[in-house]
Amino acid sequence: RKEVEQDPGPFNVPEGATVAFNCTYSNSASQSFFWYRQDCRKEPKLLMSVYSSGNEDGRFTAQLNRASQYISLLIRDSKLSDSATYLCVVNRGGSYIPTFGRGTSLIVHP
Amino acid sequence: GAVVSQHPSWVICKSGTSVKIECRSLDFQATTMFWYRQFPKQSLMLMATSNEGSKATYEQGVEKDKFLINHASLTLSTLTVTSAHPEDSSFYICSASMESLYNEQFFGPGTRLTVL
Repeated sequence: RKEVEQDPGPFNVPEGATVAFNCTYSNSASQSFFWYRQDCRKEPKLLMSVYSSGNEDGRFTAQLNRASQYISLLIRDSKLSDSATYLCVVNRGGSYIPTFGRGTSLIVHP
Repeated sequence: GAVVSQHPSWVICKSGTSVKIECRSLDFQATTMFWYRQFPKQSLMLMATSNEGSKATYEQGVEKDKFLINHASLTLSTLTVTSAHPEDSSFYICSASMESLYNEQFFGPGTRLTVL
């Protein structure tokens, strides 16, 4: 099993749709989790950290399920500008060394 | 805040030459810097982790003699690709992290290396 796994997609959704991505991780000792967004040929940018209690930032909601070892990202009311690759990042258990998932591609169309 | 710069943004070189890439944290002191490589349509692959004043820790399969990393200060790390070959052509990205609860990373804009 890979350290961090994501469905590469692409997820093709219309504007205004709600879309959810999951990411599973293998190391149960991992403590830090993030979602990054990467646009084509650009560097990743932090979208949000994922807290144990779950957190929301506008249209974006992140959840952590430690028992099942996955994190999720929910995007409501999708915008055309949300089209990008969403990267799941999990720090290795007991360390700050990050492991990136391969990313999930989202395409929002009119 | 938390801006990271990289230089150069792109470079084209002949096979056999060495290329140096700089990564700077502009408005904060980075306790740790990371170097990644990303091939087209693939995920970021961590190459090495460096802390100021100590030797870099390389990931398995990354040749430390080929990819020289120097972390001279809390705001500067350099990656030198020695004797570059066409298979080294890739997008190289650095990130910097400061001590915080969640150790968020701040990425540089990346350097696109093409070796002819």
